[in-house]
Amino acid sequence: DAKTTQPNSMESNEEEPVHLPCNHSTISGTDYIHWYRQLPSQGPEYVIHGLTSNVNNRMASLAIAEDRKSSTLILHRATLRDAAVYYCILAAYGGSQGNLIFGKGTKLSVKP
Amino acid sequence: GAGVSQSPSNKVTEKGKDVELRCDPISGHTALYWYRQRLGQGLEFLIYFQGNSAPDKSGLPSDRFSAERTGESVSTLTIQRTQQEDSAVYLCASRYRGTDTQYFGPGTRLTVL
Repeated sequence: DAKTTQPNSMESNEEEPVHLPCNHSTISGTDYIHWYRQLPSQGPEYVIHGLTSNVNNRMASLAIAEDRKSSTLILHRATLRDAAVYYCILAAYGGSQGNLIFGKGTKLSVKP
Repeated sequence: GAGVSQSPSNKVTEKGKDVELRCDPISGHTALYWYRQRLGQGLEFLIYFQGNSAPDKSGLPSDRFSAERTGESVSTLTIQRTQQEDSAVYLCASRYRGTDTQYFGPGTRLTVL
């Protein structure tokens, strides 16, 4: 499975936008880009996913580079509740055929 | 609706004892996954069920680990002769057929003394 590279940690101020980067230079044509986050002492939760086009939902936006070798998760206005570890994951065929491979993710801290 | 539930939430056991961890997936979810998360680490895949068959057991770390699933319902992860390195949070996730999203339970924190 193709790997992803994320910064170990990032800091943000409350109510400011946050851009969480992810590099996936060996992505294949059938790999979807998924983002999950894990709040302290909880299981991971789905945030967003996409294949080629940028995606928006109520939680976040996903910006995918034209060559698909990188992507950025955008939280438009960070809140204290957004403090979590964010995982960028590549899933072949969208993940409908097997497990997700979690790296160490980016630990996001949000300052009031 | 109800999410994925796991029991117990915490389990403390002595080295050498057997433990059973339970996962109740979301009703109607055909796929079920077990992961392990050691302190400060990412998630390690253990096993994947499609219905009650396990097409991918590649993540089970040793023959002390086994899992079964009843139909498209509850799954049990069993660890025999527990070791201290088995201490971790064990997470279960389920997914509806043909979709991409995995829904995770809160995990079982296992501590082996």
